[in-house]
Amino acid sequence: QLQLQESGPGLVKPSETLSLTCTVSGGSMHSGLYYWGWIRQPPGKGLEWIGNIYYSGGTYYKPSLKSRVTMSVDTSKNQFSLELTSVTDADTAVYYCARLGGDFVFWYFDLWGRGTLVTVS
Amino acid sequence: SSELTQDPAVSVALGQTVSITCQGDSLRSYYASWYQQRPGQAPVLVIYGKNNRPSGIPDRFSGSTSGNTASLTITGAQAEDEADYYCNSRDNSADHGVLFGGGTKVTVL
Repeated sequence: QLQLQESGPGLVKPSETLSLTCTVSGGSMHSGLYYWGWIRQPPGKGLEWIGNIYYSGGTYYKPSLKSRVTMSVDTSKNQFSLELTSVTDADTAVYYCARLGGDFVFWYFDLWGRGTLVTVS
Repeated sequence: SSELTQDPAVSVALGQTVSITCQGDSLRSYYASWYQQRPGQAPVLVIYGKNNRPSGIPDRFSGSTSGNTASLTITGAQAEDEADYYCNSRDNSADHGVLFGGGTKVTVL
């Protein structure tokens, strides 16, 4: 059973860089059928898509975050990562990694990590 | 930019039927997917594509689309269905972009 697990610091200072890693276990990231994504949820608010990465390294970011986001993948470790620069308290959120599947007319996140709370303070 | 709009909250009597809607221009091109999120837990996919349920999701959950509006229907709501529900779809205004609705809180009375 494929599982995803986020890891990284729970506290980041304002103006610094948030760095998180998602480890995929129980299967391989090499499948060309899926993208791998990051989604965040500020306390008490809704879900916000941050970006997706393909196993080959192709990336797609939310336009409003694009200038601060970098995603990378290490298929040898079955991991993908998120960096968000110049953080402010507005970046305080639970960060989820998830698997994105689908075809041309529908996409869906079918597997999610448990999420990790990152506080900017 | 594109967005998906959901009603903030809806209530349903135990055993009755409730529909949650999601509106947006991207839904004219792409199907919505729906997620259930209970407090303190990660979202769980309940409907994707035209009307597909992942393994383990009860058949009281169903999805439909008409024009720019997608709907999630719970037929015979149970107490455990009380949760937040989010829609999402591809973004028709951004290459490989993804949209989420603001979420609907479903209360089972």
